[in-house]
Amino acid sequence: KNQVEQSPQSLIILEGKNCTLQCNYTVSPFSNLRWYKQDTGRGPVSLTIMTFSENTKSNGRYTATLDADTKQSSLHITASQLSDSASYICVVSPRGGKLIFGQGTELSVKP
Amino acid sequence: NAGVTQTPKFQVLKTGQSMTLQCAQDMNHNSMYWYRQDPGMGLRLIYYSASEGTTDKGEVPNGYNVSRLNKREFSLRLESAAPSQTSVYFCASSEAQLAGGYEQFFGPGTRLTVL
Repeated sequence: KNQVEQSPQSLIILEGKNCTLQCNYTVSPFSNLRWYKQDTGRGPVSLTIMTFSENTKSNGRYTATLDADTKQSSLHITASQLSDSASYICVVSPRGGKLIFGQGTELSVKP
Repeated sequence: NAGVTQTPKFQVLKTGQSMTLQCAQDMNHNSMYWYRQDPGMGLRLIYYSASEGTTDKGEVPNGYNVSRLNKREFSLRLESAAPSQTSVYFCASSEAQLAGGYEQFFGPGTRLTVL
Protein backbone atom coordinates (compact mmCIF):
# COMPACT_ATOMS: atom_id res chain seq x y z
CA LYS A 1 0.00 0.00 0.00
CA ASN A 2 1.28 3.45 -0.93
CA GLN A 3 1.99 5.41 2.23
CA VAL A 4 3.67 8.61 3.32
CA GLU A 5 4.79 8.92 6.94
CA GLN A 6 6.18 12.02 8.57
CA SER A 7 8.16 12.57 11.74
CA PRO A 8 8.09 14.02 14.23
CA GLN A 9 4.36 14.56 14.67
CA SER A 10 5.06 17.87 16.37
CA LEU A 11 8.08 19.99 17.13
CA ILE A 12 8.80 23.08 19.23
CA ILE A 13 11.90 25.17 18.55
CA LEU A 14 13.19 28.58 19.54
CA GLU A 15 13.21 31.43 17.07
CA GLY A 16 16.45 31.56 15.10
CA LYS A 17 17.18 27.84 15.41
CA ASN A 18 17.32 25.37 12.53
CA CYS A 19 15.19 22.25 12.26
CA THR A 20 14.71 19.25 9.99
CA LEU A 21 11.46 17.44 9.26
CA GLN A 22 11.42 13.89 7.93
CA CYS A 23 9.28 12.08 5.38
CA ASN A 24 9.41 8.36 4.54
CA TYR A 25 7.35 6.94 1.71
CA THR A 26 6.61 3.57 0.17
CA VAL A 27 5.20 4.94 -3.10
CA SER A 28 6.89 3.40 -6.12
CA PRO A 29 7.29 4.38 -8.83
CA PHE A 30 6.66 8.05 -8.24
CA SER A 31 6.72 11.16 -10.35
CA ASN A 32 7.43 13.87 -7.81
CA LEU A 33 7.57 14.71 -4.13
CA ARG A 34 6.21 17.94 -2.70
CA TRP A 35 6.39 19.83 0.53
CA TYR A 36 3.52 22.12 1.53
CA LYS A 37 3.17 24.63 4.35
CA GLN A 38 -0.27 25.01 5.93
CA ASP A 39 -0.92 27.89 8.29
CA THR A 40 -3.69 27.41 10.84
CA GLY A 41 -7.10 27.96 9.25
CA ARG A 42 -5.75 28.26 5.71
CA GLY A 43 -5.14 26.04 2.72
CA PRO A 44 -1.76 24.41 2.00
CA VAL A 45 0.80 26.36 0.02
CA SER A 46 3.45 24.70 -2.11
CA LEU A 47 7.08 25.09 -0.93
CA THR A 48 9.00 22.74 -3.21
CA ILE A 49 8.39 20.13 -5.91
CA MET A 50 11.13 17.59 -6.71
CA THR A 51 11.17 14.93 -9.40
CA PHE A 52 12.62 11.50 -8.63
CA SER A 53 15.91 12.53 -10.26
CA GLU A 54 16.46 15.64 -8.11
CA ASN A 55 18.39 15.51 -4.83
CA THR A 56 17.72 18.95 -3.43
CA LYS A 57 15.61 22.02 -3.98
CA SER A 58 15.55 25.30 -2.09
CA ASN A 59 12.97 28.00 -1.56
CA GLY A 60 14.46 30.76 0.54
CA ARG A 61 15.14 29.39 4.03
CA TYR A 62 13.50 26.07 3.13
CA THR A 63 15.63 23.28 1.62
CA ALA A 64 14.16 19.92 0.67
CA THR A 65 16.29 16.86 0.01
CA LEU A 66 15.34 13.57 -1.59
CA ASP A 67 16.99 10.15 -1.47
CA ALA A 68 15.06 7.98 -3.92
CA ASP A 69 17.10 4.90 -2.98
CA THR A 70 16.05 4.96 0.67
CA LYS A 71 12.69 6.57 -0.11
CA GLN A 72 13.29 9.43 2.30
CA SER A 73 12.92 13.18 2.07
CA SER A 74 13.64 15.93 4.53
CA LEU A 75 12.73 19.59 4.83
CA HIS A 76 15.35 21.78 6.50
CA ILE A 77 14.34 25.18 7.84
CA THR A 78 17.17 27.61 8.50
CA ALA A 79 17.08 30.47 11.00
CA SER A 80 13.46 29.87 11.95
CA GLN A 81 11.01 32.74 12.32
CA LEU A 82 7.75 32.99 14.25
CA SER A 83 5.92 32.94 10.91
CA ASP A 84 7.30 29.45 10.25
CA SER A 85 4.84 28.11 12.84
CA ALA A 86 2.59 25.88 10.72
CA SER A 87 1.92 22.33 9.63
CA TYR A 88 4.36 20.98 7.04
CA ILE A 89 3.00 18.31 4.75
CA CYS A 90 4.95 15.86 2.59
CA VAL A 91 3.10 14.72 -0.53
CA VAL A 92 4.08 12.07 -3.08
CA SER A 93 2.66 11.78 -6.59
CA PRO A 94 2.71 8.22 -7.96
CA ARG A 95 3.16 7.93 -11.71
CA GLY A 96 -0.29 8.21 -13.22
CA GLY A 97 -1.92 8.36 -9.79
CA LYS A 98 -3.26 10.95 -7.37
CA LEU A 99 -1.34 12.73 -4.66
CA ILE A 100 -0.73 10.83 -1.42
CA PHE A 101 -0.54 13.15 1.59
CA GLY A 102 1.35 12.62 4.81
CA GLN A 103 -0.28 13.54 8.11
CA GLY A 104 1.98 16.55 8.55
CA THR A 105 4.42 17.80 11.18
CA GLU A 106 3.14 20.58 13.43
CA LEU A 107 5.95 23.09 13.95
CA SER A 108 5.78 25.72 16.66
CA VAL A 109 8.44 28.45 16.78
CA LYS A 110 8.67 30.20 20.15
CA PRO A 111 10.26 33.59 20.83
CA ASN B 1 -5.99 37.46 -9.25
CA ALA B 2 -8.01 35.89 -6.45
CA GLY B 3 -6.59 32.41 -7.08
CA VAL B 4 -8.95 29.74 -5.73
CA THR B 5 -12.03 30.96 -3.88
CA GLN B 6 -14.49 28.90 -1.86
CA THR B 7 -17.90 29.66 -0.42
CA PRO B 8 -19.11 29.48 2.24
CA LYS B 9 -16.28 29.72 4.78
CA PHE B 10 -18.32 28.11 7.56
CA GLN B 11 -21.52 26.05 7.56
CA VAL B 12 -23.54 24.15 10.15
CA LEU B 13 -26.03 21.54 8.92
CA LYS B 14 -28.42 19.14 10.56
CA THR B 15 -28.23 15.47 9.68
CA GLY B 16 -30.10 14.83 6.43
CA GLN B 17 -29.85 18.37 5.08
CA SER B 18 -28.24 19.03 1.71
CA MET B 19 -25.84 21.72 0.59
CA THR B 20 -23.44 22.66 -2.17
CA LEU B 21 -19.92 23.93 -1.65
CA GLN B 22 -18.79 26.31 -4.36
CA CYS B 23 -15.29 26.66 -5.77
CA ALA B 24 -13.92 28.92 -8.50
CA GLN B 25 -10.44 29.58 -9.88
CA ASP B 26 -9.26 32.42 -12.08
CA MET B 27 -5.94 30.93 -13.23
CA ASN B 28 -7.34 29.19 -16.33
CA HIS B 29 -6.40 25.82 -14.86
CA ASN B 30 -7.59 22.61 -16.44
CA SER B 31 -7.66 20.38 -13.35
CA MET B 32 -9.63 20.89 -10.16
CA TYR B 33 -9.93 18.87 -6.95
CA TRP B 34 -11.97 18.49 -3.79
CA TYR B 35 -10.30 17.28 -0.57
CA ARG B 36 -11.36 16.83 2.99
CA GLN B 37 -9.07 17.25 5.98
CA ASP B 38 -9.78 15.61 9.32
CA PRO B 39 -7.75 15.87 12.54
CA GLY B 40 -4.79 13.47 12.61
CA MET B 41 -5.24 12.49 8.97
CA GLY B 42 -3.72 13.68 5.76
CA LEU B 43 -5.82 15.38 3.12
CA ARG B 44 -7.97 12.88 1.27
CA LEU B 45 -9.18 13.30 -2.28
CA ILE B 46 -12.97 13.19 -2.69
CA TYR B 47 -13.39 13.91 -6.40
CA TYR B 48 -11.35 15.52 -9.12
CA SER B 49 -11.83 16.90 -12.60
CA ALA B 50 -8.86 16.45 -14.90
CA SER B 51 -10.37 18.78 -17.48
CA GLU B 52 -13.63 20.57 -18.23
CA GLY B 53 -16.37 18.05 -18.83
CA THR B 54 -14.78 15.19 -16.87
CA THR B 55 -15.04 14.12 -13.26
CA ASP B 56 -13.64 11.08 -11.43
CA LYS B 57 -13.85 9.58 -7.97
CA GLY B 58 -11.03 9.95 -5.53
CA GLU B 59 -10.26 8.07 -2.35
CA VAL B 60 -13.45 8.93 -0.37
CA PRO B 61 -16.33 9.74 -2.79
CA ASN B 62 -19.26 8.15 -0.92
CA GLY B 63 -21.93 10.64 0.09
CA TYR B 64 -20.75 13.34 -2.33
CA ASN B 65 -21.42 14.45 -5.88
CA VAL B 66 -19.60 17.01 -8.00
CA SER B 67 -20.25 19.20 -11.00
CA ARG B 68 -17.64 20.82 -13.23
CA LEU B 69 -19.88 23.68 -14.27
CA ASN B 70 -17.32 25.23 -16.61
CA LYS B 71 -13.54 25.62 -16.68
CA ARG B 72 -13.60 28.01 -13.70
CA GLU B 73 -16.07 26.35 -11.36
CA PHE B 74 -16.21 22.99 -9.58
CA SER B 75 -18.90 22.38 -6.97
CA LEU B 76 -19.26 19.68 -4.31
CA ARG B 77 -22.72 18.56 -3.17
CA LEU B 78 -23.75 16.72 -0.05
CA GLU B 79 -27.20 15.26 -0.73
CA SER B 80 -27.95 14.05 2.79
CA ALA B 81 -25.38 15.24 5.29
CA ALA B 82 -24.13 12.90 8.01
CA PRO B 83 -22.06 13.67 11.14
CA SER B 84 -19.16 11.72 9.58
CA GLN B 85 -18.96 14.47 6.95
CA THR B 86 -17.98 17.04 9.56
CA SER B 87 -14.64 18.21 8.21
CA VAL B 88 -12.72 21.00 6.54
CA TYR B 89 -13.13 20.92 2.78
CA PHE B 90 -10.50 22.27 0.41
CA CYS B 91 -10.81 22.96 -3.27
CA ALA B 92 -7.63 23.06 -5.36
CA SER B 93 -6.60 23.55 -8.97
CA SER B 94 -3.59 22.91 -11.18
CA GLU B 95 -2.68 23.72 -14.75
CA ALA B 96 -2.67 20.04 -15.65
CA GLN B 97 -2.46 16.68 -13.94
CA LEU B 98 -0.15 16.56 -10.95
CA ALA B 99 2.00 13.63 -12.08
CA GLY B 100 3.48 16.14 -14.52
CA GLY B 101 4.90 18.19 -11.67
CA TYR B 102 2.42 21.05 -11.95
CA GLU B 103 1.95 23.19 -8.89
CA GLN B 104 -1.34 22.82 -7.05
CA PHE B 105 -3.11 25.83 -5.58
CA PHE B 106 -5.55 25.51 -2.69
CA GLY B 107 -8.50 27.60 -1.61
CA PRO B 108 -9.00 28.83 1.98
CA GLY B 109 -11.31 25.96 2.95
CA THR B 110 -14.89 25.49 4.14
CA ARG B 111 -15.37 24.36 7.72
CA LEU B 112 -18.49 22.16 7.82
CA THR B 113 -20.18 20.84 10.95
CA VAL B 114 -23.02 18.32 10.72
CA LEU B 115 -25.08 17.95 13.89
